[in-house]
Amino acid sequence: GNSVTQMEGPVTLSEEAFLTINCTYTATGYPSLFWYVQYPGEGLQLLLKATKADDKGSNKGFEATYRKETTSFHLEKGSVQVSDSAVYFCALSDFYNQGGKLIFGQGTELSVKP
Amino acid sequence: DAGVIQSPRHEVTEMGQEVTLRCKPISGHDYLFWYRQTMMRGLELLIYFNNNVPIDDSGMPEDRFSAKMPNASFSTLKIQPSEPRDSAVYFCASSVGQGGTYNSPLHFGNGTRLTVT
Repeated sequence: GNSVTQMEGPVTLSEEAFLTINCTYTATGYPSLFWYVQYPGEGLQLLLKATKADDKGSNKGFEATYRKETTSFHLEKGSVQVSDSAVYFCALSDFYNQGGKLIFGQGTELSVKP
Repeated sequence: DAGVIQSPRHEVTEMGQEVTLRCKPISGHDYLFWYRQTMMRGLELLIYFNNNVPIDDSGMPEDRFSAKMPNASFSTLKIQPSEPRDSAVYFCASSVGQGGTYNSPLHFGNGTRLTVT
């Protein structure tokens, strides 16, 4: 079945450091890929998305490129801020095989120190 | 837009008691989801509804859990009797479509933190 695997956290960085959070997926079809972010005490919210191979999603300085050849969708940011401290979830949906139901990874906690 | 509204934000109860969690989805959204989040198991989909009808409840852990959606603006998740292992954060989310399509993301509430002692 379809699944998502993320790098384990927590990830601790200093402000202005470069961020990479790895995400790989397994899917039988052609999924859409997402990153959601959860700030402390809140629900998840969509950060960015990509619908087909080689698409790049971007938002708030974060980027992720849909790599079909490596089945990956790694999240990157060139210079993190303390306000980026949150839990990040990679997710996929495969509309034609699973009706579009979202499948989430286990989440990666990011802590940015001043 | 008020977003997805969940109540209560925190619930502390004793083992064996009945617990009811409430959710008001975003107006116009036709899908509603209940998720549970724990450190050990991450984010788990419990059940989801389409137009107030339960579609997939395969994630409901056991018969102690039940969910209803009597109308388009209200849903409940009930645990009876509650047990300490039910302690978790429970999220409600809504969307137009199943939330997995490109243009219809899931909108989450802020969750209910349940503690069963």
